[in-house]
Amino acid sequence: QQQVRQSPQSLTVWEGETAILNCSYEDSTFNYFPWYQQFPGEGPALLISISSVSDKKEDGRFTIFFNKREKKLSLHITDSQPGDSATYFCAASSNTGYQNFYFGKGTSLTVIP
Amino acid sequence: GPKVLQIPSHQIIDMGQMVTLNCDPVSNHLYFYWYKQILGQQMEFLVNFYNGKVMEKSKLFKDQFSVERPDGSYFTLKIQPTALEDSAVYFCASSSWGGWDTQYFGPGTRLLVL
Repeated sequence: QQQVRQSPQSLTVWEGETAILNCSYEDSTFNYFPWYQQFPGEGPALLISISSVSDKKEDGRFTIFFNKREKKLSLHITDSQPGDSATYFCAASSNTGYQNFYFGKGTSLTVIP
Repeated sequence: GPKVLQIPSHQIIDMGQMVTLNCDPVSNHLYFYWYKQILGQQMEFLVNFYNGKVMEKSKLFKDQFSVERPDGSYFTLKIQPTALEDSAVYFCASSSWGGWDTQYFGPGTRLLVL
């Protein structure tokens, strides 16, 4: 059973638009949700993260919205830039450590100039 | 930013052979990790390592797998013997401290077992 699901699989937006990437999870004990950004040929890099005590986390143009009741979260990228074109991974974990640390399959974002 | 290097970038071997994947972590980092990603699938945690010891490992970390970092050199993942299902991209990561400290990932080693 896949613990973390992401949608859409791929997304294309115009420069300046807001890209919305979705993530949902299964285990209600998950309490930490990092998002990673990965460019081709590179490893993933931590972009922004949120814990379950918050419902929103903002860092510049990147904002996570978290709905604990529905076990859903989303990453909003405002004023999208061509340099934001990458694959974005949602991950989820609990206090039980890395044995229960799950990644989604990723959303491939393309920003057209 | 801090860089993690992985050597080699690609490796092709025959089933049953031994393979060693090398990771050069960020200097002065103390915690090290390996992840596995099969093509088209999500990345999955394999193992983390601190102070010369495996701290946690997942069900994917089979008996054929081992990790070590002798004398502060490369952090290595050894698979002996390899199986077809070991074909994947293996990512190494390191962090200053454990818990949920920021991990820095390498670019991955693409392993193909024939």
